[in-house]
Amino acid sequence: QSALTQPASVSGSPGQSITISCTGTSSDVGGYNYVSWYQQHPGKAPKLMIYDVRNRPSGVSNRFSGSKSGNTASLTISGLQAEDEADYYCSSYTSSTTVVFGGGTQLTVL
Amino acid sequence: EVQLVESGGGLVQPGGSLRLSCAASGFTFSTYWMSWVRQAPGKGLEWVANIKQDGSEKYHVDSVKGRFTISRDNARDSLYLQMNSLRAEDTAVYYCARGGNRKLDYWGQGTLVTVSS
Repeated sequence: QSALTQPASVSGSPGQSITISCTGTSSDVGGYNYVSWYQQHPGKAPKLMIYDVRNRPSGVSNRFSGSKSGNTASLTISGLQAEDEADYYCSSYTSSTTVVFGGGTQLTVL
Repeated sequence: EVQLVESGGGLVQPGGSLRLSCAASGFTFSTYWMSWVRQAPGKGLEWVANIKQDGSEKYHVDSVKGRFTISRDNARDSLYLQMNSLRAEDTAVYYCARGGNRKLDYWGQGTLVTVSS
């Protein structure tokens, strides 16, 4: 199972919006609405930000939103804040009854 | 408060074995799928395995099949990962997480496994 494809890095200024893409295949991202997104600060455990493509867990800011089109899922962060600087990972259920993560995207807030 | 606390990591020689444990509290452990995810130093997340509530279904990533086995003890609110025939490429922080295929909503702080001679 190959990892989902994410850009290695993205950046934005405070207050701006950024979008991180996550590209898979019809056997994972495109085939199921089980895409989730995780935020990880250095030295910390990952934190769930989005699940089932677009749902936010309780306590996650509504500045975070998710979507999907075909084999590509996206995470959008609006009103960028310094605290958003972190690594972001997407994941998806697969037709092999396994789970696959993306390679991760480093977000820099300029 | 949901808590997941991993233990059992350490330094092991190639070909050796380790058993990781994850102690769960703050929720009804027996009603949730559970998972293991690892992260090699400076690398991304890699899903390792998950297990159904009653242990009747278990899934492992291809790279660990035949070497690692996920299990659970609902009476002890504990999750395990038995790791045999360890290789250098298994060196990573291993996280225990609540959930299965849809989402991993709580994570432990991880335990470091180092495979080296």
